[in-house]
Amino acid sequence: GESVGLHLPTLSVQEGDNSIINCAYSNSASDYFIWYKQESGKGPQFIIDIRSNMDKRQGQRVTVLLNKTVKHLSLQIAATQPGDSAVYFCAENLNTGNQFYFGTGTSLTVIP
Amino acid sequence: EPEVTQTPSHQVTQMGQEVILRCVPISNHLYFYWYRQILGQKVEFLVSFYNNEISEKSEIFDDQFSVERPDGSNFTLKIRSTKLEDSAMYFCASKRGNQPQHFGDGTRLSIL
Repeated sequence: GESVGLHLPTLSVQEGDNSIINCAYSNSASDYFIWYKQESGKGPQFIIDIRSNMDKRQGQRVTVLLNKTVKHLSLQIAATQPGDSAVYFCAENLNTGNQFYFGTGTSLTVIP
Repeated sequence: EPEVTQTPSHQVTQMGQEVILRCVPISNHLYFYWYRQILGQKVEFLVSFYNNEISEKSEIFDDQFSVERPDGSNFTLKIRSTKLEDSAMYFCASKRGNQPQHFGDGTRLSIL
């Protein structure tokens, strides 16, 4: 039968290595971006956000980079741990509205 | 840390029946949202609610859907006559001002 689900991009990394997860967003007018982590059976969990007047923001073990020229967002996780295994979504928002548009997600697997 | 809570965690309903999904947003939050996630697909915006009225809704949120804040703590999503394609995870989210949304762990809705 025909598959109706999306095939998530996957990323496997060794424990302790750095992970880079990428996201291409769609609307050049989007001015606020969030990375969410979603573990199995749970809702999206906020990781880090960035506004369009910045190109880099750092949190604890995570860094988000924004390239508005090519509409690209990345999430870097330092020293990846098994607990980081999850699906990671980027979400974009236009300041004029309440809608957040989610990307398809990337499934990160950390190999012990 | 305060959380968004959703009940029930799993709802099974016959096609054509009405269903009400319940959410208790974080207590000092003012903006409320419903999203859905069909199995294996991306998170999709349904509706946002502020100051006791819908502020934005997507194409998915047709006249079979309604939202209500019946008291100072609950935020509900009603589907009037459920269809098979309404089967999904439904996430409630809330936020305060210009801050990221916080999500609940969702209600899995299964339509038979």
